[in-house]
Amino acid sequence: GAVVSQHPSWVICKSGTSVKIECRSLDFQATTMFWYRQFPKQSLMLMATSNEGSKATYEQGVEKDKFLINHASLTLSTLTVTSAHPEDSSFYICSARSIGSGAETQYFGPGTRLLVL
Amino acid sequence: AQSVTQLDSHVSVSEGTPVLLRCNYSSSYSPSLFWYVQHPNKGLQLLLKYTSAATLVKGINGFEAEFKKSETSFHLTKPSAHMSDAAEYFCVVSVNSGYALNFGKGTSLLVTP
Repeated sequence: GAVVSQHPSWVICKSGTSVKIECRSLDFQATTMFWYRQFPKQSLMLMATSNEGSKATYEQGVEKDKFLINHASLTLSTLTVTSAHPEDSSFYICSARSIGSGAETQYFGPGTRLLVL
Repeated sequence: AQSVTQLDSHVSVSEGTPVLLRCNYSSSYSPSLFWYVQHPNKGLQLLLKYTSAATLVKGINGFEAEFKKSETSFHLTKPSAHMSDAAEYFCVVSVNSGYALNFGKGTSLLVTP
């Protein structure tokens, strides 16, 4: 089956630093990748939709200058949390949709746990 | 806008008894609906999906869900709970544009011996 990986799986950083999270589709090409955020004991909230070769579409309330998304290839999207603060600590999950498929063929990564001290 | 409401934040069942996790949806058109499971420290796993084909959808691990348009519901059921079913379950609906997904708040399933 289709596999999506995320790297790193967890990261601890100091307040004010930037953190980059990678999302890769390992055995398929993904025209669209999605980034979600999950706080403890809460549901996933969509942050942004990333299409290969174009600018990401951010959900209302998500700061695009703080959460930089790049989708430079059909197998890789990156989320950079710039000038991270403790309130950015969360579980970040990506998903990927393969070419020519509907929503039902989204595949989720295992998530990246970010802790900002 | 497409959205789902999971009616129970926590459900507790005894091992071997039936499981019912309730979900109602709101959509202006025929939606695509999903159930995902999230085990602690693991990624999301698709249990089953409804995409306007058969209204009774069978998924993995003995789970199934029935799409009822008249009740705008998509409840998840399993005849006999297993200890390994203990996890967080999310009812999900696809958003019209861009294929993004809207997640319900989740139902935490506890299975007791």
